Amino acid sequence: DAKTTQPPSMDCAEGRAANLPCNHSTISGNEYVYWYRQIHSQGPQYIIHGLKNNETNEMASLIITEDRKSSTLILPHATLRDTAVYYCIVRMYSGGGADGLTFGKGTHLIIQP
Amino acid sequence: EAGVTQFPSHSVIEKGQTVTLRCDPISGHDNLYWYRRVMGKEIKFLLHFVKESKQDESGMPNNRFLAERTGGTYSTLKVQPAELEDSGVYFCASSQAYTAIYGYTFGSGTRLTVV
Repeated sequence: DAKTTQPPSMDCAEGRAANLPCNHSTISGNEYVYWYRQIHSQGPQYIIHGLKNNETNEMASLIITEDRKSSTLILPHATLRDTAVYYCIVRMYSGGGADGLTFGKGTHLIIQP
Repeated sequence: EAGVTQFPSHSVIEKGQTVTLRCDPISGHDNLYWYRRVMGKEIKFLLHFVKESKQDESGMPNNRFLAERTGGTYSTLKVQPAELEDSGVYFCASSQAYTAIYGYTFGSGTRLTVV
């Protein structure tokens, strides 16, 4: 799986959009970009994933650059409950089953009141 | 639907003892995964079951760890004998085969402390 690079920490004001960057310059054509987060004392939580196109769901938006070497997770209106460590993970999906995830150090997002 | 359930939530044991962690995946999920986070380190993949079969156990640290999933339902992870470096949080996750692309559902984890 391709390696990812994320800033170790970020601050964001409550109510503002939180933009979390991720570099994955060695991504291959059949690798997806996944985002998970871990809120303190809880298990990791799936947020969103994408291959080429930008994606949006009820939690967040994922913007993937045209060359796919980087992406940005956007939390449109951050709340205090969004304080967590956010992981950007790049991996292949093998149909029928799915391989284990490789978590890096992630970005510790702190939402300030 | 009920989420992934892990039991116990906390366990404190002495070095050399045996501990068994249990994971109940979401009903109908064929894929079951074990991960752990050792203090100060990243979350690491341990192994992957597809139903009752071990698909990938490349992350298991050594032969003191034994995972089973008899009948393809719940899974257990036994550590015998436990060592100090086994302390950490053990997470279980599950997914259905055809929805695995959408990500996994994780349990809240078991915090294991070996003293």
